[in-house]
Amino acid sequence: DVKVTQSSRYLVKRTGEKVFLECVQDMDHENMFWYRQDPGLGLRLIYFSYDVKMKEKGDIPEGYSVSREKKERFSLILESASTNQTSMYLCASSPRTGNEKLFFGSGTQLSVL
Amino acid sequence: AQSVTQLDSQVPVFEEAPVELRCNYSSSVSVYLFWYVQYPNQGLQLLLKYLSGSTLVKGINGFEAEFNKSQTSFHLRKPSVHISDTAEYFCAVSLSGGYQKVTFGTGTKLQVIP
Repeated sequence: DVKVTQSSRYLVKRTGEKVFLECVQDMDHENMFWYRQDPGLGLRLIYFSYDVKMKEKGDIPEGYSVSREKKERFSLILESASTNQTSMYLCASSPRTGNEKLFFGSGTQLSVL
Repeated sequence: AQSVTQLDSQVPVFEEAPVELRCNYSSSVSVYLFWYVQYPNQGLQLLLKYLSGSTLVKGINGFEAEFNKSQTSFHLRKPSVHISDTAEYFCAVSLSGGYQKVTFGTGTKLQVIP
């Protein structure tokens, strides 16, 4: 089975801190994604990557950046965390073709105080 | 750019009754369509997907969905729900061809009442 692993299940940070969320997949998938999930808003795409060192902005990239130095790892960076970035963050991966399902990690619940 | 609208945020239904969860999409090009389910305190898993061909798609757990291009809809149905179907359901769309940017709807919470 494909495994998408997110480094932390729960994370508490202070306003202004730099935050790194890590995601690793073990199935050699080309595509990787970062979403945030908020009640009533569903999943909103922050960034996605279709290859090493390649990235594309999603629908809500403001306040975030990403890094993909290796194929299996996709990092989400909050340069200066703010309280409105408190959310559940979901990482996902999929093969290159656009018709495959996404494999999701178990999520990181980030609280910014 | 593609988008998805899920018209109902919550749908209560009695056990063994039929249910339809509505999804409409917007795109100027051909799309792939998906339904995912998230059970309480669990991750998302794929229910079914439409890529091409037959407009009626069958998925896991007795769910099915029908692609209607003229109405740009992809509604999810089940003829008889069980308590275990209580979950949040997400419709998603990606463009056929090009990079796989997958856009999700806001979700519909299905509450099955005993």
